[in-house]
Amino acid sequence: DADVTQTPRNRITKTGKRIMLECSQTKGHDRMYWYRQDPGLGLRLIYYSFDVKDINKGEISDGYSVSRQAQAKFSLSLESAIPNQTALYFCAVSGEKDYGYTFGSGTRLTVV
Amino acid sequence: GENVEQHPSTLSVQEGDSAVIKCTYSDSASNYFPWYKQELGKGPQLIIDIRSNVGEKKDQRIAVTLNKTAKHFSLHITETQPEDSAVYFCAASIPGNTPLVFGKGTRLSVIA
Repeated sequence: DADVTQTPRNRITKTGKRIMLECSQTKGHDRMYWYRQDPGLGLRLIYYSFDVKDINKGEISDGYSVSRQAQAKFSLSLESAIPNQTALYFCAVSGEKDYGYTFGSGTRLTVV
Repeated sequence: GENVEQHPSTLSVQEGDSAVIKCTYSDSASNYFPWYKQELGKGPQLIIDIRSNVGEKKDQRIAVTLNKTAKHFSLHITETQPEDSAVYFCAASIPGNTPLVFGKGTRLSVIA
């Protein structure tokens, strides 16, 4: 099994729908992140969590919310999806002293 | 906050030649600088990192150099091979305090 698992891998949804992207990890790390990737814009931080009770906004949090259900689970929600949220979404994890990130395989989201 | 600039955005080299990707950062407090490789359809994968107490680090055909005075760091790939073709991201952070801030990526093509 992968260290960081994202579901679904691909999703097409309609404008205005609520959608949740899920991330789970088996590395036992406390720190989890959600990034968005758009062509030419790199990876931009949406939300991050340094432990179960900690949630922080990133650079582009508007229109998104998160839930840290457990150490191993971190979900990203789009409350009312819009077409410019069409992107590739990555979850990543890191340890407090293991600074390198481990990324999931990504979720490709299309909002029509 | 931190801002990371990465150049070039695309790079084509002949197999066997060297490739260099450069990044600059803005926050002088940053002291952790990783590089990630993203192959098609996959999440980014850490390939090498450097911390501010060293100026250069090598791992086989890959090396990273850091100039803290000028606030820039570079990735050097020697004897390039077709399997080096991918998108490469640099990043910077103050480990333990802030999430990684990524550059916009460089698409490297190695032509056989």
